[in-house]
Amino acid sequence: AQKITQTQPGMFVQEKEAVTLDCTYDTSDPSYGLFWYKQPSSGEMIFLIYQGSYDQQNATEGRYSLNFQKARKSANLVISASQLGDSAMYFCAMREGSYGQNFVFGPGTRLSVLP
Amino acid sequence: NAGVTQTPKFRVLKTGQSMTLLCAQDMNHEYMYWYRQDPGMGLRLIHYSVGEGTTAKGEVPDGYNVSRLKKQNFLLGLESAAPSQTSVYFCASSWGALTGELFFGEGSRLTVL
Repeated sequence: AQKITQTQPGMFVQEKEAVTLDCTYDTSDPSYGLFWYKQPSSGEMIFLIYQGSYDQQNATEGRYSLNFQKARKSANLVISASQLGDSAMYFCAMREGSYGQNFVFGPGTRLSVLP
Repeated sequence: NAGVTQTPKFRVLKTGQSMTLLCAQDMNHEYMYWYRQDPGMGLRLIHYSVGEGTTAKGEVPDGYNVSRLKKQNFLLGLESAAPSQTSVYFCASSWGALTGELFFGEGSRLTVL
């Protein structure tokens, strides 16, 4: 069974607008971490933001915020004021396991920012 | 800062040939991972290691072997390459905690003819 689901294969957003990328996860562990990565066309993997399962507040990093709804097992990424350089693949990922050893990724969402 | 280094960056193999991908990290991380990335499938875990001398299977281990003889190095081997192993391979490392993000290498593009 898929542990990470990203239902939007592709998204378009107008420059300067906000966009939400969906992510749902499945785990029975009480402790886990949720991550978002960006992969531009150049191919490198760039860490964006982290949310812990016990964190009470949603994580924020600059223009990135994570909308964490634990009961719904969702961890959506919100990008505010989109820029052309935000065009990339975005991957949601989860870290779980007794020693934090399991690190799984979703299939990704390709975001295109339109001028 | 080198971070995570993968060699080689590109390789073309013929079916049945063998090869080894080398991953080296200089951050003293305990955990290291090998993923493959195929279009539409995200990153799938091949093998991982939680410390020197230890390895474990991930989601798609068949056709691959790994070794972690030194803490800083994690080797991925293909004993008899198949066209289905054409992919981009990423190595990553991290601290052993739920809060630790993965640090990735630049990727290695492998083509098997």
